[in-house]
Amino acid sequence: GNSVTQMEGPVTLSEEAFLTINCTYTATGYPSLFWYVQYPGEGLQLLLKATKADDKGSNKGFEATYRKETTSFHLEKGSVQVSDSAVYFCALSDGGGGNKLTFGTGTQLKVEL
Amino acid sequence: ETGVTQSPTHLIKTRGQQVTLRCSSQSGHNTVSWYQQALGQGPQFIFQYYREEENGRGNFPPRFSGLQFPNYSSELNVNALELDDSALYLCASSPGFGGIKAGELFFGEGSRLTVL
Repeated sequence: GNSVTQMEGPVTLSEEAFLTINCTYTATGYPSLFWYVQYPGEGLQLLLKATKADDKGSNKGFEATYRKETTSFHLEKGSVQVSDSAVYFCALSDGGGGNKLTFGTGTQLKVEL
Repeated sequence: ETGVTQSPTHLIKTRGQQVTLRCSSQSGHNTVSWYQQALGQGPQFIFQYYREEENGRGNFPPRFSGLQFPNYSSELNVNALELDDSALYLCASSPGFGGIKAGELFFGEGSRLTVL
């Protein structure tokens, strides 16, 4: 079956540091890949997505590239801010349409001044 | 534009009881999905409703059931509660089923269920 593996947290960075959160996946077919973010006290929000190999999703300075050869979708940001502190979830769709997502366990990011 | 709202936000039940959780989808969204998020874990797909019919189900037993109403709001019902059902239950709506927007979900803040 489908599965998503994320690096464990918490990840603690200083403001303006470079961020990488690793995500690898196992899936049949051609899934779409997503990063969702959960800010403190809020619901999950879609951060970015990519629907096919070599696509790059980007939003709010975050980027992730769909790498089929390494089955990865690592999240990166060049300069994090305190306001980026949140839990980040990597997810994939089942490729059959619909909205069934398989999520990773989440990575907590803490950004300090 | 009103987002996804869920009720109740917190509730406590005892083993064997039944619970109903409610969700109002975002305006214009006709598809609702339910997810279970145990502490420290990612959300797990329970099922999805599209046009008032269940359309896709995860690995959950039949005591997890749901409904979608003509206004696209939804209920999640869990019978014969077990201790392991303690979790945050998330409702998510989307503007359609499949297509280019597949997987782009709008989540509520969840209903936290504790089973004693």
